[in-house]
Amino acid sequence: QVQLQESGPGLVKPSQTLSLTCTVSGGSISSGGYYWSWIRQHPGKGLEWIGYIYYSGSTYYNPSLKSRVTISVDTSKNQFSLKLSSVTAADTAVYYCASTRIYGGGGTALDYWGQGTLVTVSS
Amino acid sequence: DIQMTQSPSSLSASVGDRVTITCRASQSISSYLNWYQQKPGKAPKLLIYAASSLQSGVPSRFSGSGSGTDFTLTISSLQPEDFATYYCQQSYSTLPRYTFGQGTKLEIK
Repeated sequence: QVQLQESGPGLVKPSQTLSLTCTVSGGSISSGGYYWSWIRQHPGKGLEWIGYIYYSGSTYYNPSLKSRVTISVDTSKNQFSLKLSSVTAADTAVYYCASTRIYGGGGTALDYWGQGTLVTVSS
Repeated sequence: DIQMTQSPSSLSASVGDRVTITCRASQSISSYLNWYQQKPGKAPKLLIYAASSLQSGVPSRFSGSGSGTDFTLTISSLQPEDFATYYCQQSYSTLPRYTFGQGTKLEIK
């Protein structure tokens, strides 16, 4: 079973760049059949998809965040990363990474999730 | 964008009850619909994918149905560990790739 673990600073200053890394264990990012996603959840609110990456480096971003988001992959470390620039208090949220299985028919599902990490944007 | 609307937003039920949660898409999404369970302070957990396929390890009291725009998640006999918030999510549209419903909080009566 795949396991994912987010890491990175829990506090980021306004206007700076939020950087998080997700380390994958129990499976290889390069094995194919999966995208690797970032999702966030504002305190007490619902879920918002940020984007995902394929091991080849192809990326897909939520248009509402696209101008500020970069997702990258390091297959040698079995990790993928999120950078969100020019953050404001509105970016304070729990950030999750998740494996995104591609099943028959072209559908996908977020099948395994990291535990999540709270990132607070404050000076 | 495809909008996902769940109903009800909250629900009170008792152990042993049969519970149904509904999710409606703003346009047809075929069967590209997933259901997740989230407990306080925890990450969401995939329950159902492709509208009706049970994720490995998920108890058989959970089931999903529907296609097009209307979907349901049913719990046949509520257990104490099922009290949580449930989200539907579409994986049909290209951008944004995924949108979630607003959640249904299932509470103990």
